[in-house]
Amino acid sequence: AQTVTQSQPEMSVQEAETVTLSCTYDTSESDYYLFWYKQPPSRQMILVIRQEAYKQQNATENRFSVNFQKAAKSFSLKISDSQLGDAAMYFCAYPLTQGGSEKLVFGKGTKLTVNP
Amino acid sequence: DVKVTQSSRYLVKRTGEKVFLECVQDMDHENMFWYRQDPGLGLRLIYFSYDVKMKEKGDIPEGYSVSREKKERFSLILESASTNQTSMYLCASNTLVELYSNQPQHFGDGTRLSIL
Repeated sequence: AQTVTQSQPEMSVQEAETVTLSCTYDTSESDYYLFWYKQPPSRQMILVIRQEAYKQQNATENRFSVNFQKAAKSFSLKISDSQLGDAAMYFCAYPLTQGGSEKLVFGKGTKLTVNP
Repeated sequence: DVKVTQSSRYLVKRTGEKVFLECVQDMDHENMFWYRQDPGLGLRLIYFSYDVKMKEKGDIPEGYSVSREKKERFSLILESASTNQTSMYLCASNTLVELYSNQPQHFGDGTRLSIL
């Protein structure tokens, strides 16, 4: 069964510093996508970044980047120059096909605190 | 922009009541999902639907049912609410094509349901 594991329930970082959130997953597929979602205190889930497994290059979106290690099935999120607005729950997710449709399997989340 | 609207942000009900949570999306998406979110457990899929009148069980369907009479609306039903169903409920939608886009699922703001 496909699973997604986030081993850090909580993390904290000083404003302007860098933090890395870890995620590992289990799949037998060779071509797939991985996602990081952010859920601020306002609660709406927002897609932060996605990675396509067949691409060697790590995805980058402004201050957010991933370290994708396909062989190790690791998909960590790096946030550079952390800002107060980055404080949120972060979820790693993997799409799984079931019943003719796709669903997302989420990790348990990491709560990120940004200290001023 | 895609809009997923959940009818209530906060809801308080009593044990044994029949509870309806409503979700409407405005983008003609085929797929709609209901998750519950609990601290330390992340998002867990309750039910999803890939077409009108079609539904698939997710990971934790017990105690819940769903209804999809119209494409834009997906209702979650608690037949006889119990205190262990106190949680945050999130609705989401997407299309099959869009699963591999930059916004794989669009989420509503969530409904925080308390069962007393």
